Amino acid sequence: QKEVEQDPGPLSVPEGAIVSLNCTYSNSAFQYFMWYRQYSRKGPELLMYTYSSGNKEDGRFTAQVDKSSKYISLFIRDSQPSDSATYLCAMSAPGYGGATNKLIFGTGTLLAVQP
Amino acid sequence: EAQVTQNPRYLITVTGKKLTVTCSQNMNHEYMSWYRQDPGLGLRQIYYSMNVEVTDKGDVPEGYKVSRKEKRNFPLILESPSPNQTSLYFCASSLSTSGGGETQYFGPGTRLLVL
Repeated sequence: QKEVEQDPGPLSVPEGAIVSLNCTYSNSAFQYFMWYRQYSRKGPELLMYTYSSGNKEDGRFTAQVDKSSKYISLFIRDSQPSDSATYLCAMSAPGYGGATNKLIFGTGTLLAVQP
Repeated sequence: EAQVTQNPRYLITVTGKKLTVTCSQNMNHEYMSWYRQDPGLGLRQIYYSMNVEVTDKGDVPEGYKVSRKEKRNFPLILESPSPNQTSLYFCASSLSTSGGGETQYFGPGTRLLVL
């Protein structure tokens, strides 16, 4: 079983739709939860960061962490064609794997927002 | 401009011909890391470095070498490339190595094809 599971998609939605992206994980030690966005032919860039449980909102993006269910989500409101990208969840824990900055990534979900 | 640069961006080579992919960051970051990205497997860590002259293996280190002689540079060396090393490679860096959850900044990627 992978430590982090993510539906690979692809996910295709019309412009203006609400998008929900999800990851589940198995390691209860994870404390830091991130969403990276990766455009085609580019490196991943950090989109949202959450420590421990709860919600965090940034414009049209909301990140949710439910540690009791080991489940994290990213919601995109009023989706735009410019949101078309691969979204990667990532998580880490202090000292995990002997390296404090070790990130465990999901496989990524490919999102296409149709105009 | 703060950035992580990689060279070359694209490389086609033959089995057994040694190659080096360079990585450089201009943010004075302590932590640097190499990942490979493959379909269905996501991003997997190859090697990482906590500081100058301090490197360690990630999850998939076989067939790769690294060095960290200067803080800004972290080259990836394939001594004898094989076709199973055909992949998309990313270098990443972050400010410090403490606590976990540090934002990692990714380079633009190097697409390698080994024939």
